[in-house]
Amino acid sequence: DAGVTQSPTHLIKTRGQHVTLRCSPISGHKSVSWYQQVLGQGPQFIFQYYEKEERGRGNFPDRFSARQFPNYSSELNVNALLLGDSALYLCASSHGGTGGYSYEQYFGPGTRLTVT
Amino acid sequence: AQRVTQPEKLLSVFKGAPVELKCNYSYSGSPELFWYVQYSRQRLQLLLRHISRESIKGFTADLNKGETSFHLKKPFAQEEDSAMYYCALSNTGKLIFGQGTTLQVKP
Repeated sequence: DAGVTQSPTHLIKTRGQHVTLRCSPISGHKSVSWYQQVLGQGPQFIFQYYEKEERGRGNFPDRFSARQFPNYSSELNVNALLLGDSALYLCASSHGGTGGYSYEQYFGPGTRLTVT
Repeated sequence: AQRVTQPEKLLSVFKGAPVELKCNYSYSGSPELFWYVQYSRQRLQLLLRHISRESIKGFTADLNKGETSFHLKKPFAQEEDSAMYYCALSNTGKLIFGQGTTLQVKP
C-alpha cells in the first residue's frame, strides 16, 4: 500500500481563482481529515469526513468546502483564493471506527499551494 | 479553549545528551495526547500516544494532568533524532497541534 496519496504535489494559483485538492486514503480507511499548515506553524484542522458525512469542521471560512466519495477518497475545494491561503494542505486517513473518534491518523505528503 | 503549546521553536543538543521537548495543553475533559514527528523530506508520522504508554525509538512521554503537560523525553539523543516534533491533542477525532519544536542533534 502506498499510504495516503495526494494530488497534485504543487500548484500555483492566482488570487480569486478556485482550487481542488485530492486525497486517496489508505485502503480500508473510512475517515479522511484535511489540515492546513502555514509555514512555521503546526497543522490546523479544516474538515473531517467519515463514511461520506462531515464529522467536524474547523474555524475556516465558507470558501473552504470538502466532500468524500463512495470509495472514501476526498476533495478539498477552496474558492476565491487569497494570498493567505498559501500553505501546505495535508490529508490524513484513519479507520474511523464508531463515530470516527481518536483513531491513529496517517498523513499524506501534502499539496503545496502558492497563491500569487 | 483547547490549545497545545510548545514553548521552544528550536532545541539544540549534542549527541548523547538528554532531550526534553516540552508540551502543555488546555482541554476540558480527558485528553488524548500524541507526539508526531516529521523527518526531513518525509511525511508527518505518529511517534507515540499517551494511552499506549510505549517507548518508541527510545522516546517516552508521560501525561501529567496536574501540570497539564505531556513532555517528550529521551535519555541519550542520536543524530537521527533531528527532526520537527509536534505535540497534538485529539478532540473527537480532530487533532489540535502545537507549533512544533525543531530538534537539532549535533555530532
